[in-house]
Amino acid sequence: DIQMTQSPSTLSASVGDRVTITCRASQSISSWLAWYQQKPGKAPKLLIYKASTLESGVPSRFSGSGSGTEFTLTISSLQPDDFATYYCQQYNSYSRMYSFGQGTKLEIK
Amino acid sequence: QVQLVQSEAEVKKPGASLKVSCKASGYTFTDYYIHWVRQAPGQGLEWMGWINPNSGGTNYAQKFQGRVAMTRETSISTAYMELSRLRSDDTAVYYCARNRGPPYDSSGYYFDYWGQGTLVTVSS
Repeated sequence: DIQMTQSPSTLSASVGDRVTITCRASQSISSWLAWYQQKPGKAPKLLIYKASTLESGVPSRFSGSGSGTEFTLTISSLQPDDFATYYCQQYNSYSRMYSFGQGTKLEIK
Repeated sequence: QVQLVQSEAEVKKPGASLKVSCKASGYTFTDYYIHWVRQAPGQGLEWMGWINPNSGGTNYAQKFQGRVAMTRETSISTAYMELSRLRSDDTAVYYCARNRGPPYDSSGYYFDYWGQGTLVTVSS
């Protein structure tokens, strides 16, 4: 199984800040990576897929990069609505299995 | 519009079985895989497996093999997830989610629509 490790686990930031969340895979996953935002009591929302493609309707302040084993999600200028928990998700094209990172909680400083 | 509507919350005793349903609408049910993901209280997301609604083929996370079964009823566009031999640590919100694209579409290996979640509590 491919393990996904996110860092940091918790991030404190202010409105207007630029923040970056990192996700590392235990082996190469090419660009088979997505990022989700989840708010309490709600289902996750897809933000980025194929490592860097913005899902339709997602604000352009969200961006993703990386390939192989290291990936990042960047929010260029935090807005009040962005305080939430973020998860990365990988797809293993060999086993056709999936897994998530443990999550990063983005808190207001 | 695409919707995935799940069954209501359940309370189960340890050792019992659970069956959660996920009714799809707004798209062709057999064109997109359905996945099941769970989230224990205060914890992260855990992928459980997928079902191909067209063929009925499945793929389960190793952790759940032997204890989970994913099925579907195409006539009513509904997918099911059955989990047996329940334990207290199976207490979680269970979500169904749809692949973003059809099988073997490179943009498809992600989850674009999710059900509302079904809270399952396992307690004696």
